[in-house]
Amino acid sequence: NAGVTQTPKFRVLKTGQSMTLLCAQDMNHEYMYWYRQDPGMGLRLIHYSVGEGTTAKGEVPDGYNVSRLKKQNFLLGLESAAPSQTSVYFCASSRLAGEQFFGPGTRLTVL
Amino acid sequence: AQSVAQPEDQVNVAEGNPLTVKCTYSVSGNPYLFWYVQYPNRGLQFLLKYITGDNLVKGSYGFEAEFNKSQTSFHLKKPSALVSDSALYFCAVRDASGGSYIPTFGRGTSLIVHP
Repeated sequence: NAGVTQTPKFRVLKTGQSMTLLCAQDMNHEYMYWYRQDPGMGLRLIHYSVGEGTTAKGEVPDGYNVSRLKKQNFLLGLESAAPSQTSVYFCASSRLAGEQFFGPGTRLTVL
Repeated sequence: AQSVAQPEDQVNVAEGNPLTVKCTYSVSGNPYLFWYVQYPNRGLQFLLKYITGDNLVKGSYGFEAEFNKSQTSFHLKKPSALVSDSALYFCAVRDASGGSYIPTFGRGTSLIVHP
């Protein structure tokens, strides 16, 4: 059981570049989430999914898009990266009302 | 609407002393409550949860938390702190009465255990 994995672990982008972060879980969880963590801001929910083919906006969705084509994968896209998107990104998954399982994070720097 | 407050940004305690990390919540219905720990450069790890039943919940690494409905609190406790407990702790709440079941996290409390 790998749990929740995230790819890549680190990335440096230039302003305006695009990228996709991949999250995969092997626990057959219905719910998946993308968060960003910034100093002093705690965890902020970007987007989430309650099942394959469905996504919804969280607290800070602007500048991000997501897709959940397969139940085990949840992709986070940045179409045109901005310095304000420099952050650590965490993916998580859970059953309906259970605890969340988090990935190890992706550290993104946008220059 | 649901919310969580962790009133202390930082808690300092000496090794061997008891520790408490505070959390209060607000939900429309009944709460599902969670505590997570984050070590440096790692993702969050689940510690314990309250869903229903006993108000005192025991979790990983010797931690426990007490659900207090009248005070809407779910404080995290440990009888004897270890230096290795130093980390960032997050409280989270979900409204059990339905809706999207998306949790709300507190801002986190940094626990520092001094040798």
